[in-house]
Amino acid sequence: SQQGEEDPQALSIQEGENATMNCSYKTSINNLQWYRQNSGRGLVHLILIRSNEREKHSGRLRVTLDTSKKSSSLLITASRAADTASYFCATGSNQAGTALIFGKGTTLSVSS
Amino acid sequence: GAGVSQSPSNKVTEKGKDVELRCDPISGHTALYWYRQRLGQGLEFLIYFQGNSAPDKSGLPSDRFSAERTGESVSTLTIQRTQQEDSAVYLCASSLVRLTRGDTEAFFGQGTRLTVV
Repeated sequence: SQQGEEDPQALSIQEGENATMNCSYKTSINNLQWYRQNSGRGLVHLILIRSNEREKHSGRLRVTLDTSKKSSSLLITASRAADTASYFCATGSNQAGTALIFGKGTTLSVSS
Repeated sequence: GAGVSQSPSNKVTEKGKDVELRCDPISGHTALYWYRQRLGQGLEFLIYFQGNSAPDKSGLPSDRFSAERTGESVSTLTIQRTQQEDSAVYLCASSLVRLTRGDTEAFFGQGTRLTVV
C-alpha cells in the first residue's frame, strides 16, 4: 500500500494564484520529499524536509510538516502556466524499508 | 552521464514475450530504485538496490519480474511472459545515500514506456 496520499487529486487555478497541495502519511518518517512530474515521465526533486523540521522554503515553494498530524503541505506562490504538472509527496521511513514511498499525486493545472 | 539514463524510451511487445529494461544510474550513487507507474496513477515501488547488500525485492508483483545490478553500475529489469497489465511506465532512480538517513533525494530517469499488445 502507498504511504503518502495527496489531496486534492486535481487542482485548477489561474496564473498568479497560489496552489496548495496536501499530503498525509501513515507511519513515522525520516524525511518527506516533494517531486514534480511533467507529461508522465521522469520526476524532478523539488524539496526535502526532515522530520525535525517544520517549514522549509525554496524560491516560490513553501513546505510545511506536521509530524503530530502526519501531514505535509506544499504551497506554490504566484503560480505560472509552467507549473502545470503532477506533484507527488514521498516519504523516507525506516519502518517502510529503504525505498521512497510515493503517493498518487495531485495534478495541477494553471491557466493563463 | 550527468543524469539517470534509461533505455529503451519506448517498448512495444507482444503478450507472452520477455522484455529487458535498462537503467544507468548517476556515477557514484550507491542506491538504485525501480518503480512502475500505470496511467494516471502514483509510483509503485518494485525493487531497491543498495551497494552490495541484498536487494529489497518486496515490491515485485510476481515471479515474472526480476532485476539485476552489478555493484554500483547498470541495472536491468526483466519481465518474463509479459501480460497486458504490465503496460506502464517503468521508472528508475538513483540516490547517494548519506550517513544520515534523512537525506535520500532521488534522481529519476525519463522512464521506459512499455506497451504490451
